Amino acid sequence: GAGVSQSPSNKVTEKGKDVELRCDPISGHTALYWYRQRLGQGLEFLIYFQGNSAPDKSGLPSDRFSAERTGESVSTLTIQRTQQEDSAVYLCASSEGTRSRYEQYFGPGTRLTVT
Amino acid sequence: DAKTTQPPSMDCAEGRAANLPCNHSTISGNEYVYWYRQIHSQGPQYIIHGLKNNETNEMASLIITEDRKSSTLILPHATLRDTAVYYCIVRVAYSSGTYKYIFGTGTRLKVLA
Repeated sequence: GAGVSQSPSNKVTEKGKDVELRCDPISGHTALYWYRQRLGQGLEFLIYFQGNSAPDKSGLPSDRFSAERTGESVSTLTIQRTQQEDSAVYLCASSEGTRSRYEQYFGPGTRLTVT
Repeated sequence: DAKTTQPPSMDCAEGRAANLPCNHSTISGNEYVYWYRQIHSQGPQYIIHGLKNNETNEMASLIITEDRKSSTLILPHATLRDTAVYYCIVRVAYSSGTYKYIFGTGTRLKVLA
């Protein structure tokens, strides 16, 4: 079946512009995760959704970042007034549930470059 | 939050066992240890996870010390396709019921022919 997909695969934007990154999880997966990976570094956990609800938004780097999920399906990560330090690969993952036994399936990521 | 420490890189001869260590000395009793790997330019791939007991699946074995302060991922017969960055991750659970995954900086494993 189809895996996790993300769009766009690459995005170049000017500093100060807003961007929207999209994630389509595996059908039926109730949990969805967003991560940020800066060049040469590990993954930074940003936010997760259980259904359409995000119980903890404290991992978002600043108030310029927001995320939503609708229909227990697609999720968007929005970055307002982008800064150069936002340049990174943004990875989305989904899992059948939030219990520890469920593995996460990752998408290919969106590479964001802020010029 | 529990943090993980991993060596930045390791080499392993093809066909030999690869033993990747991870230190998580501040882990709490209900926090799971996960291992994922990331092959260049792809999303991470799940390998294995555990809480207290050693675990084995078709990909690898996970050995967790009795005090849970460290663990070792074992790839029993490494192949060239196992060349990747291996991440040791702790799933931190909070009393509020929320949780987060804390990734280490990863070990870049290079399998040599």
